[in-house]
This record gives sequence, structure tokens and C-alpha cells, in this order.
Amino acid sequence: DGGITQSPKYLFRKEGQNVTLSCEQNLNHDAMYWYRQDPGQGLRLIYYSQIVNDFQKGDIAEGYSVSREKKESFPLTVTSAQKNPTAFYLCASSPRGLEQYFGPGTRLTVT
Amino acid sequence: GESVGLHLPTLSVQEGDNSIINCAYSNSASDYFIWYKQESGKGPQFIIDIRSNMDKRQGQRVTVLLNKTVKHLSLQIAATQPGDSAVYFCAENINNAGNMLTFGGGTRLMVKP
Repeated sequence: DGGITQSPKYLFRKEGQNVTLSCEQNLNHDAMYWYRQDPGQGLRLIYYSQIVNDFQKGDIAEGYSVSREKKESFPLTVTSAQKNPTAFYLCASSPRGLEQYFGPGTRLTVT
Repeated sequence: GESVGLHLPTLSVQEGDNSIINCAYSNSASDYFIWYKQESGKGPQFIIDIRSNMDKRQGQRVTVLLNKTVKHLSLQIAATQPGDSAVYFCAENINNAGNMLTFGGGTRLMVKP
């Protein structure tokens, strides 16, 4: 059963804590992406990775960090430096770099 | 289909009617476009894509039209069903931006039974 999985679906954290969101894909896609979505708005790119052990900042990378040690996995850490971390986080992967396929998302709430 | 703050443009249609959702883009170097459907609380779902060397592409119950002259993209859904209710947004790939997609704000489609 191929696809992109994100866990957990809902995540609650206290302000000042770092939190790591999981993204796994078994589609053998080279490229992976992290987006943030706020209510009623489009997707904004946080980080992306075209290949293992390489990643680049997107439009809103401040306060976030990623790693790409395995082709299948692209975890996102939301650090305490992120001023407004509460949002819906979406991970995507792409086989050829254009069409992207999304996971189910993780809703993070920081209080 | 651009959002304005927290308020998405909304299209309300009767079940069985055809729906047309529009998207304007600004970069003439954009050469690839995708339409996504996003249901509440879920990840976006790929619907259909089109390259700039085409002006029309059809899928199952959906048609995408591309007008490069006025930089306009539309998604037509035939015989709209309640299950089509969702937010729809377009994304574009700009020719010199590598493998990146730029997403529009979205349009909410509401289907009345």
C-alpha cells in the first residue's frame, strides 16, 4: 500500500518546546517538501529536498529545521524560534519534480 | 481563485450543474499547472495537470483550460456532486524555478443537494 504518511494527525505542545513532525513515503520519490497552511490561505513552502542528504530553504524556513538521511523520510522540526507555530503542516513528495503528492497533514497547536 | 485574508472566494452550485473554478497567474514564464482538491482537514489531492504547450486537457468529469494570452487557468467539473465540495487551488511551476510549485489561495466549492 504505497503513499505518504504523516504522524501524528494532531499534535499539541507548550510554547518553548521543539517538536518534530514525521513524514514517510514508500513511493520511491526523490523530492520531498514541507508546507505550512494557515486558515483560508494557500500553501507556503518551508523546506524541500531534491535528493538524500541535501535540502534547501523555502520561503518561510526561519524557525524550522529538517534532515534527509533516508530517501523515504523527511522529518520537520518546529523549533521554539518559530514565532507562530500553530498551523496545518503538509508534506509532499514528487517523482519527477513537478507534480507533487501530499500526505494527510499534521495539525500542530502550540499554547 | 485568490484568497483575501481569511476569507476564501466561494462558489455555490446546485448538484448536477457544471462548475467552473478560475485561477489567474502572473508569471508568463510559468509552463506547468496543477489543480488540487482539498477536503477539510485533509491533504490536497491531485486532480489534473496541464503543460503550457496545451490549452485544454480532460480527465474524468474534469477539464482544465489554459489561456496563456490572459494568464488564466480554469477547472471545469461536469455534473457536480456533493462529494466535490472542497477547496480547490491551482499551482504553477515557473520555468526557471527548478521543481518548485507556487500555490494560489484557493476557491471553496459548495454543492447544494
